Amino acid sequence: AIQMTQSPSSLSASVGDRVTITCRASQAIRKDLGWYQQKPGKAPQLLIYGASSLESGVSSRFSGSGSGTDFTLTISSLQPEDFATYYCLHDHNYPVAFGQGTKVEIK
Amino acid sequence: EVQLVESGGGLVEPGGSLRLSCAASGFSFSSYSLNWVRQAPGKGLEWVSSISSSGNNTYFADSVKGRFIISRDNTKNSLYLQMNSLRVEDTAVYYCAKWDLIVAGSDVWGQGTLVTVSS
Repeated sequence: AIQMTQSPSSLSASVGDRVTITCRASQAIRKDLGWYQQKPGKAPQLLIYGASSLESGVSSRFSGSGSGTDFTLTISSLQPEDFATYYCLHDHNYPVAFGQGTKVEIK
Repeated sequence: EVQLVESGGGLVEPGGSLRLSCAASGFSFSSYSLNWVRQAPGKGLEWVSSISSSGNNTYFADSVKGRFIISRDNTKNSLYLQMNSLRVEDTAVYYCAKWDLIVAGSDVWGQGTLVTVSS
């Protein structure tokens, strides 16, 4: 099974900061990766699909990059509504797997 | 409106069974694979199970293999998760979800239903 290692597990940042979260797959997964945002008590929302494509309706301050085994989610200028937990998900094959999550907190 | 709505959660004793349902609307249900994802209190997301569009192929996480059964009824636009031999560690919010990570706008999640396994 392909394992997804996400880092960091948490980070503190200020409004306006540039934030980077990474996911590493234990095997190559081409670009079969998405990034989700989850707020407390809510279902996850897709931000990025295909590793680097912006989901409809999502702010352009979110971007994704990578292919193969190493992937990055970048928030270019952190906004108050971006404080949440972020997860990567691979669906390259079964079993699909989520990363452990990154909680973005206010500094 | 594209929507997934889960039901069937509740309190059950260890060793018991529960059947979750997920009603879909607003999209061509029979064209998509579907998934169950769970989230234990204060924990991350865990993929549980997936089923192909026809229902012919099913997949399970090792943690539930042999205990959970996923099924669907394409005539009723409904997805199911039969959970047997439940354990305390199965306590979680269970989401049904549709995703396609190569196509924009394909991602849909339900609001989740809470399953609590406790004596």
